[in-house]
Amino acid sequence: GIQVEQSPPDLILQEGANSTLRCNFSDSVNNLQWFHQNPWGQLINLFYIPSGTKQNGRLSATTVATERYSLLYISSSQTTDSGVYFCAVESTSGTYKYIFGTGTRLKVLA
Amino acid sequence: EAQVTQNPRYLITVTGKKLTVTCSQNMNHEYMSWYRQDPGLGLRQIYYSMNVEVTDKGDVPEGYKVSRKEKRNFPLILESPSPNQTSLYFCASSYTLLVDGGPDTQYFGPGTRLTVL
Repeated sequence: GIQVEQSPPDLILQEGANSTLRCNFSDSVNNLQWFHQNPWGQLINLFYIPSGTKQNGRLSATTVATERYSLLYISSSQTTDSGVYFCAVESTSGTYKYIFGTGTRLKVLA
Repeated sequence: EAQVTQNPRYLITVTGKKLTVTCSQNMNHEYMSWYRQDPGLGLRQIYYSMNVEVTDKGDVPEGYKVSRKEKRNFPLILESPSPNQTSLYFCASSYTLLVDGGPDTQYFGPGTRLTVL
């Protein structure tokens, strides 16, 4: 089945810094989502982005489906950005399964 | 308020005692899904449902059952729980896309932390 790899696995930033999180996938996908899991465990969807670029405030995401990767950009990071960031893909295998990456754990220091 | 609810939020049980975790959404979503989250493994899909009476296996369905008798509810059933099912469980729901029938943006419930002794 499709493999989803995220990098880096861990990231520590000073407040105000920028960062780029990467999601690589091993096969074609129908769609891709980015999620943030906050320190209380809540999962919040950030972007639904099977291709192209989207922006929402300090966050933006780009998916290059032909090259099988997606990037999540966080600018001017804040302590509230801390948590784990997951990408999840739905493969083109004919099912409607979702496969999650193992996440990037981000800690933003004040 | 649009939301996905799960009950219970926390549960400690013993091996072999049947249990049900309920999931309900009020957004009229067609697609619903169950995931388990374990340290170092991310989230893995257990079962999903494209609509009423339509369910299919995810990547880790062994030891679980689901049903979708109503659009808003998607309970997860553990007939004979074992300690390796100790985990954090999430339910999610979404609309399905007109273009290909696949799931749209998923919205997650708050999670159910299950411990099986």
